[in-house]
Amino acid sequence: DAKTTQPNSMESNEEEPVHLPCNHSTISGTDYIHWYRQLPSQGPEYVIHGLTSNVNNRMASLAIAEDRKSSTLILHRATLRDAAVYYCILQNSGNTPLVFGKGTRLSVIA
Amino acid sequence: DAGITQSPRHKVTETGTPVTLRCHQTENHRYMYWYRQDPGHGLRLIHYSYGVKDTDKGEVSDGYSVSRSKTEDFLLTLESATSSQTSVYFCAIQRLADYGYTFGSGTRLTVV
Repeated sequence: DAKTTQPNSMESNEEEPVHLPCNHSTISGTDYIHWYRQLPSQGPEYVIHGLTSNVNNRMASLAIAEDRKSSTLILHRATLRDAAVYYCILQNSGNTPLVFGKGTRLSVIA
Repeated sequence: DAGITQSPRHKVTETGTPVTLRCHQTENHRYMYWYRQDPGHGLRLIHYSYGVKDTDKGEVSDGYSVSRSKTEDFLLTLESATSSQTSVYFCAIQRLADYGYTFGSGTRLTVV
């Protein structure tokens, strides 16, 4: 499985944008980039995913580098409820089980 | 969310006893997964299923078995529980619309 590299932790001020980076230099052409987050004492929650183009949804935006070797999850305005562990995961096909790494622990400061 | 329910939510059991965890979904999703989560290890895949009676092993399947006799139920069994199986267990389904996963609320299992 292609691997991802994320910072262990990040900190953000409330109501400011947050850019969570993910490096995936060995990504293949058919790998989807998925982002999940896990709030304290809860199961992981789907955030967003993409293949080549940038993606937006109600939760976040996903910016994918032109060479696809890195991506950035953008939370446009962090709230205290966004404090969680964020996982960047590559999935080779829709049928391949997701493999979770350690993720980035995001702290949001009021 | 996505009608996925795990039971029990909490269980304490003794070493050597069999334990079955249940994952129930109400939306006819074909793909289902069992993960465990431990401090320092993150989520690790135990077993998964692509349909009734179609299951496969994940990276940490030793000591676990699964069954899927109906689309809606995916059972995880610890044949003889050990203390190393103390963990939080999450079940997930995969949505076909966007391939995203929806996770259950988890089962906290303690083996004493």
